[in-house]
Amino acid sequence: EVQLVESGGGLVQPGQSLRLSCSGSSFTFDVSAMSWVRQAPGKGLEWVGFIRSKPYGGTADYAASVRGRFTISRDDSKSIAYLQMNSLKIEDTAVYYCGKDLRPDTAMPIEYWGQGTLVTVSS
Amino acid sequence: QSVLTQPPSVSGAPGQRVTISCTGSTSNIGAGYDVQWYQQHPGKAPKLLIYDNINRPSGVPDRFSGSKSGASVSLAITGLQADDEADYYCQSYDGTLSDVLFGGGTKLTVL
Repeated sequence: EVQLVESGGGLVQPGQSLRLSCSGSSFTFDVSAMSWVRQAPGKGLEWVGFIRSKPYGGTADYAASVRGRFTISRDDSKSIAYLQMNSLKIEDTAVYYCGKDLRPDTAMPIEYWGQGTLVTVSS
Repeated sequence: QSVLTQPPSVSGAPGQRVTISCTGSTSNIGAGYDVQWYQQHPGKAPKLLIYDNINRPSGVPDRFSGSKSGASVSLAITGLQADDEADYYCQSYDGTLSDVLFGGGTKLTVL
C-alpha cells in the first residue's frame, strides 16, 4: 500500500523559515513526480508546486503565490521530498499535503495523498 | 473568486443522481487541458476520483463519472449514498497563468 507521511509542520513567526518532509513508501519513488498542495483553515485546496522525477530533469514548478519563496527538492536515496518555505507570511498558514503524481513529469493528477501537516504562521 | 468556478453546494437524496459543474475558460479547460476531480471528507486528505476528464482510478465505483463539453466539465454521482457527503474539487491547468488550479470546491449534502 502506497504511503506518504508529511512531517515538519509547526508554529513559526512571520519571516521565518520551515522545511517540510514527505516520506514515501511502497512505490518506486525515484520515477515519481511529487506535488505539494495546501489548504488554509476552512478554505479550498491550493496547488503549491511539484517536482519532476530525475529521468525527466528533476526540476520543479511553483504556484505564483509561492514562487521565489518556496523550494521543492527530493532525495531519492531516502524516498523523501522536501518543501523549503522561506519568508513565511501569515497567509501561508495551512495544512500542507504532499502527493504522488500519476505521471513522472506532470503535476496532475495526484493519485495518492499524505495525511497533511499543519503550518501556522503567527506572531 | 476561483478561475475554475464550481457551485458552492449541491444536495440530493439517497439513491438520486447529482451533478457538479466546473466552468473554466479558453485559457484552461477550453484550451484542452485535462481536468481531475477529488473528493475530500472533513478532516481527511483528498482522494482522486476522476482524471483526464473521464477516467476512474481503480477502486473508484462506477457511480462516479466525468464528462466534458467545451470549457466546462461535470462530475456525476448516481445512486447517492450517505458516504458521498463530502467536498468535491476540480483541478486543471491554466496556460495563460502557467499555474495548476483548483476550483473553489462544492459541498455535497446527502439529505
